[in-house]
Amino acid sequence: GAVVSQHPSRVICKSGTSVKIECRSLDFQATTMFWYRQFPKQSLMLMATSNEGSKATYEQGVEKDKFLINHASLTLSTLTVTSAHPEDSSFYICSARDFTARENEQFFGPGTRLTVL
Amino acid sequence: RKEVEQDPGPFNVPEGATVAFNCTYSNSASQSFFWYRQDCRKEPKLLMSVYSSGNEDGRFTAQLNRASQYISLLIRDSKLSDSATYLCVVNISGFQKLVFGTGTRLLVSP
Repeated sequence: GAVVSQHPSRVICKSGTSVKIECRSLDFQATTMFWYRQFPKQSLMLMATSNEGSKATYEQGVEKDKFLINHASLTLSTLTVTSAHPEDSSFYICSARDFTARENEQFFGPGTRLTVL
Repeated sequence: RKEVEQDPGPFNVPEGATVAFNCTYSNSASQSFFWYRQDCRKEPKLLMSVYSSGNEDGRFTAQLNRASQYISLLIRDSKLSDSATYLCVVNISGFQKLVFGTGTRLLVSP
């Protein structure tokens, strides 16, 4: 299957700082990438859909000014958690659609575990 | 009501056992259905898609009942390595996004 990478895999930061997470599709072009968040023992929750060259579409309840998404190329999307607080501590996972693969299949990155102190 | 509902488990079974997981979805416009597997602190990985006619991949069999809005996953001859959380996932027609269930945890013991 297609490969999606994320960087960093783990980050610990102080409250009030901003954290940028990168999501890359390594062997295919992804016009659409998705950002999810998963709290312990809970399901993945879609935060936003990122489309190359246009503004991201945010899910209800997700603050677009707090979670900045940039999808500047067909292989890279970034999520910036601005002014992070302890309640933002979570597992952030991106995924990308490969339109040459099976219908609606998404390939997931390995995730970024964010801990805000 | 949640869009995708699953029994969280855990299901504790011995090696070699057969175990079945169920999932219900609320949106009748759901178009595509999947089972993903997620290991602890890892990303989800696609296990199999689910088709109306039912499909099988080795020890794994998935079935879909559109009338009842119900999906199932059957695992035969459980292995220790099958221990994981199994996520039921649906895609709603006209939307790109996937909706995940909370997952069913499976523990296979020796």
